[in-house]
Amino acid sequence: AQTVTQSQPEMSVQEAETVTLSCTYDTSENNYYLFWYKQPPSRQMILVIRQEAYKQQNATENRFSVNFQKAAKSFSLKISDSQLGDTAMYFCAFMKHDKLSQGNLIFGKGTKLSVKP
Amino acid sequence: DGGITQSPKYLFRKEGQNVTLSCEQNLNHDAMYWYRQDPGQGLRLIYYSQIVNDFQKGDIAEGYSVSREKKESFPLTVTSAQKNPTAFYLCASSPQGLAGGPGNEQFFGPGTRLTVL
Repeated sequence: AQTVTQSQPEMSVQEAETVTLSCTYDTSENNYYLFWYKQPPSRQMILVIRQEAYKQQNATENRFSVNFQKAAKSFSLKISDSQLGDTAMYFCAFMKHDKLSQGNLIFGKGTKLSVKP
Repeated sequence: DGGITQSPKYLFRKEGQNVTLSCEQNLNHDAMYWYRQDPGQGLRLIYYSQIVNDFQKGDIAEGYSVSREKKESFPLTVTSAQKNPTAFYLCASSPQGLAGGPGNEQFFGPGTRLTVL
């Protein structure tokens, strides 16, 4: 069974600085997807960034980028130029790439990020 | 505007009662999902549906039931058999099967907070 571990329950960062959130996962699969979701105080889940395991290039979305280390099974999220609106819970998630597991996102327990002015 | 709506936002249930949580989407997505979120936990998959009149159990389906009579609707019933139903429930949808693939991310509704009195 796949597991996702986020070892940092809470983190804080000063506005405009950079912060990195850690995520490790355990799987025997070779083809899969990894995601970072953001859940602000409104509790609306928002997709931040996605990485396909077969791609070596790290995904980037504006101020958000990942460091995907497939051999180490590590998938960290870097937020550059942190903004107050980045304050949220961040969840790392895993999904196998096969029709039998359609929809089965495996989530970590989350990291609560606070951006301080 | 296209999106996913969930109602009600807050729901209170007495022990022994069944309650139904509504989820509607106007995104023309084929696949829909129900997740449960507990404090300090990530999301866990309850049920999912890839097409109308078909659905599959997720990791924690016991005590829950669903139906998918229309493409845009995927209601979740929390039955009296669910021993610990107090939680935050999130509905999601994605354009087609094999969720997670490029352009096929899951989009989430705003959630329903269920409390058992």
